[in-house]
Order: sequence, then C-alpha cells, then structure tokens
Amino acid sequence: QVQLVQSGAEVKKPGSSVKVSCKPSGGTFSTYGINWVRQAPGQGLEWMGGIIPLFGTTNYAQKFQGRVTITADKSTTTAYMELSSLRSEDTAVYYCARARSMKTGTTLSAFDLWGQGTMATVSS
Amino acid sequence: DIQMTQSPSSLSASVGDRVTITCRASQSISIYLNWYQQRPGKAPKLLIYAASSLQSGVPSRFSGSGSGTDFTLTINSLQPEDFATYYCQQSYSTLQTFGGGTKVEIK
Repeated sequence: QVQLVQSGAEVKKPGSSVKVSCKPSGGTFSTYGINWVRQAPGQGLEWMGGIIPLFGTTNYAQKFQGRVTITADKSTTTAYMELSSLRSEDTAVYYCARARSMKTGTTLSAFDLWGQGTMATVSS
Repeated sequence: DIQMTQSPSSLSASVGDRVTITCRASQSISIYLNWYQQRPGKAPKLLIYAASSLQSGVPSRFSGSGSGTDFTLTINSLQPEDFATYYCQQSYSTLQTFGGGTKVEIK
C-alpha cells in the first residue's frame, strides 16, 4: 500500500523559510501530480500549488505566487514545498496529496492519497 | 480563480438521519468536482470524484450529484463515524480550489 510520507514538524522564525518533503513509500511518482494543501488551526483546506514530477511543470495559487516553490527530485522520488518570508499566519499543517486521473483518458482528477501532514509553526 | 461556496457551514444531525450538503461553483465546472471527508486531527479522505463516482472503499450511503455549478453530497442513514467536516474541491482549473467546509455535528 503506497503512502505519502512527509517530513517532521518545524518551528521557524518570521521572515525565514520552511521546506517540507513528501515521499511515496513503496512507489514512484509515475504520471501523478503532487499537490500541496495547507490548513491553519481551526480553518479549512487551502490549495497552494502542485507539480507533475515527470515533466516538472508547476502551478501555484495566486495567493502564494512568489513565496512558494514546489519541486520534485526524480532520483530520490521526493517532492518538496518551500515557503519563504514566513509570517505568523503561515502557521498551519501542510499536506501533500497525490493527484490522479480518476477516469482513463480524461482529466478528471482528484487527490486520492494524502500525506500525514507536517505542522509548521511560525513564532518569534 | 474559481470560487467554491458550501452550505451550510455546519449542521447538527442524529444517527440515522439523511444529510445533504451543497456546493456551488462561481462558474461552470462540468463534473470536475470532488468531495472529501476530514476527521479531527486526520488528513482528508476522498469520498466522491467526478461529481458522482464513489471512491473505492467508501460506503454506499455516500452519494454525489450535480454538474455545471451546483453539486450535492448526500449521506443516507448517518453513522457515528460520519461526524466530520466535508469539503468540495474543483479540479476544472489547474488552479484548484476548495469550498469552505461543512462540519457535521451530533445533535
């Protein structure tokens, strides 16, 4: 059973950066996309962006443009999300999620596999 | 960006009740609509994809319908493990967005 395994909790100072990793255990990226979703305490889900590791193509939510960088290392089968210029409002659980086409031959995709989440706390 | 609006934001129901949650998109998204369940402290779980297709392993009491801009998630005969928060998500645009969530609480 493939799982997405994320790196551990982080505590960062305002103005610094955080980099979270996501690795599928027992599997590869294949043609899937890896997306990043965050959830501030007591709040809803917020899509940040995604990457198709096979092609290296990325998409970012407008809110995070210029502050977030999503990459994938095909040699280690690991995806990364780096968020810079951190502020207290970035305190959240960060999830990676696999995007898969759910119907063959279509672009009907969904996040069918999620990582366990990584808590990032921004505090002085 | 496509805005996704869920209603209600919360509801109280009893075990055995039928529950309906709605999700409206700010523009037509065909059937590019997914539903997720999130229990406290856990990662979200895919329930329904492509508006009405049940994800493998998800109980048949969950169903989805709709197309275009208006969508519905229905839970028939609510079970104790169904008390959670539910989110819709559009995958029509490469810039994907979630609804604000609906918390289903025990009455």
